[in-house]
Amino acid sequence: DTEVTQTPKHLVMGMTNKKSLKCEQHMGHRAMYWYKQKAKKPPELMFVYSYEKLSINESVPSRFSPECPNSSLLNLHLHALQPEDSALYLCASSQIRGHNEKLFFGSGTQLSVL
Amino acid sequence: AQSVTQLGSHVSVSEGALVLLRCNYSSSVPPYLFWYVQYPNQGLQLLLKYTTGATLVKGINGFEAEFKKSETSFHLTKPSAHMSDAAEYFCAVNFGRGSQGNLIFGKGTKLSVKP
Repeated sequence: DTEVTQTPKHLVMGMTNKKSLKCEQHMGHRAMYWYKQKAKKPPELMFVYSYEKLSINESVPSRFSPECPNSSLLNLHLHALQPEDSALYLCASSQIRGHNEKLFFGSGTQLSVL
Repeated sequence: AQSVTQLGSHVSVSEGALVLLRCNYSSSVPPYLFWYVQYPNQGLQLLLKYTTGATLVKGINGFEAEFKKSETSFHLTKPSAHMSDAAEYFCAVNFGRGSQGNLIFGKGTKLSVKP
């Protein structure tokens, strides 16, 4: 199994809603990542978890809250989002957090905030 | 400052023609270099990477890239384009120790392949 699975694939939410994005991998990887990708732009790093501990938070607003319940799962909890938060949210994993590590990406959740 | 630049946001080639996508980086120390491909409505997939050793790197789908330290470049090539190569290509760089070691993506190059 070399897949990173993200659910849901599409999500539409209002600015007062609370929702969660889920990411799962069963490759035994110990580093997991959240990226945000706006249309026609490169992915931008949001959070990195290494051995289930948050190791990087790229100054992301608190309306985004990551959670890593175990080594296979990564969640992104969303609350009080703004329309400008509409984007493709990509989860990725790697064996460890290293400089030459290959990242495996999920297909993403396309989020629209109304 | 450390950065990665992809020249050309859009490249169009004919089927069977050479594909050349350009990537340059700015750093005093050679970084780790990657090329990722993104098909529509998909995540990113690693094509190839350079860390150390041989400077010509072969990847999947017939792509290869050559690390040229003197030119601070890591251009991606494929001798003969297929229709299925149409996608967005991202050069990515990890500058390693002292920079948090995060992967930094270039702005991307959209490759179109004409029949």
